[in-house]
Amino acid sequence: KAGVTQTPRYLIKTRGQQVTLSCSPISGHRSVSWYQQTPGQGLQFLFEYFSETQRNKGNFPGRFSGRQFSNSRSEMNVSTLELGDSALYLCASSGDSWGTGNTIYFGEGSWLTVV
Amino acid sequence: DAKTTQPPSMDCAEGRAANLPCNHSTISGNEYVYWYRQIHSQGPQYIIHGLKNNETNEMASLIITEDRKSSTLILPHATLRDTAVYYCIVRVPISSGSARQLTFGSGTQLTVLP
Repeated sequence: KAGVTQTPRYLIKTRGQQVTLSCSPISGHRSVSWYQQTPGQGLQFLFEYFSETQRNKGNFPGRFSGRQFSNSRSEMNVSTLELGDSALYLCASSGDSWGTGNTIYFGEGSWLTVV
Repeated sequence: DAKTTQPPSMDCAEGRAANLPCNHSTISGNEYVYWYRQIHSQGPQYIIHGLKNNETNEMASLIITEDRKSSTLILPHATLRDTAVYYCIVRVPISSGSARQLTFGSGTQLTVLP
C-alpha cells in the first residue's frame, strides 16, 4: 500500500514569489492535513481538508491556503513568500472511520527554502 | 488535548532496550496515548498508540500506568537506525466527523550509541 506522497521534495523560491505543494494521501483516506516544521517553532498544524472542505485551521496568516480535490489529493499554496516561510511542510492523511481513522500517517515532506 | 512532558534527550547502547518515558498527568478518560518518531529530515512515523492496556506491535511496546498519568515506550533492541526524536501525544480518539490535528511537543531526542 503506497504511503503519503508529497511533491516536490525540495525547492528554492525567492521572497515575494508564491509556491504550491502537492500531496497524495493513502488510497482510501479522505482527510488530508498540513503541518509546518521549523527549528524554532517545531511542528505546527496549518489546516485539514476532508471531502474537499476545510474542516480545521491553525493559526497562520491568510497567505497560507489549501484545497482538496475530489480524488482527495491536496495542494497548499503560500503567496508572497517571506524568509520565515522557509520550512519543512508535511502532509498527513487518515481515514474517517473508527477502525481506520485512529492513525494519522505523514509524508516525507517538502523542503522549502526562501531566499 | 492533554499536555505531555518528555525528557529532552536520552542515550541508549545499541542492542539494549530503550525506555522512553512520558508524563501526561492531566489525561482524561477518553484520551489515547500516541507515539511518533521523526528521523532527521523525514516526516513523523507512527509507532504505536494505546488507551489503558499495554500494547505491542512489531516496532515497540507501550506500557501505560494504571492511573494513566504516565507511559513508557519500549524499543526492545535498539539499533542505530532508531536514533530519532520521539514524540508522545495525547488526544481523543479520531472518529468519524472529528477534525484531525496533532499537537506536537518538543519530544525526546534518542541517540543510539554503537
